Amino acid sequence: GDSVTQMEGPVTLSEEAFLTINCTYTATGYPSLFWYVQYPGEGLQLLLKATKADDKGSNKGFEATYRKETTSFHLEKGSVQVSDSAVYFCALTLSGSARQLTFGSGTQLTVLP
Amino acid sequence: DADVTQTPRNRITKTGKRIMLECSQTKGHDRMYWYRQDPGLGLRLIYYSFDVKDINKGEISDGYSVSRQAQAKFSLSLESAIPNQTALYFCATSGDTSSFYNEQFFGPGTRLTVL
Repeated sequence: GDSVTQMEGPVTLSEEAFLTINCTYTATGYPSLFWYVQYPGEGLQLLLKATKADDKGSNKGFEATYRKETTSFHLEKGSVQVSDSAVYFCALTLSGSARQLTFGSGTQLTVLP
Repeated sequence: DADVTQTPRNRITKTGKRIMLECSQTKGHDRMYWYRQDPGLGLRLIYYSFDVKDINKGEISDGYSVSRQAQAKFSLSLESAIPNQTALYFCATSGDTSSFYNEQFFGPGTRLTVL
């Protein structure tokens, strides 16, 4: 079945450090890929998305590129801030009537001042 | 005001009790979803509904039931709660039925503890 694998956390960084959170997927078709973020005590929010190979999603300084050849969608940010501390989820959806989201297990990021 | 609301936000109950979690949305979306979140497992889909008359089981529907009372309301019930249903429960909505993107909008979650 379809699945998403994320790097295990937690990840702890100092402010202004470079961030990479790895995400790989397995899918029977051609998925759309997403990163969602969950701030403490809140629900998930869409951070960025990409719908086809080589697309780059970006938002709030975060970027991720859809790599079909490596089935990956790694999240990156050049300089993290304390306010980026949250749980990050990689997810995919496939075409079809259901268009359900399949989530990875989440990666906890803590940024220290 | 929040677009997707959930009540209650926290609930502690005992094994065997019937519990209902409620979700309301003001986004005008047709699609609604219930997920549970467990540490290290991400979110798993329990049930989803594409409109009032369309209810579908998700990945982990056993032990749960749902009711779509109106376009804006989608309730999740645990008929006889058990301790391994202790989790964080999220409701979500999606309105873009023609798009491939399927962005979902999440409520703040309900933390349920079954003793």
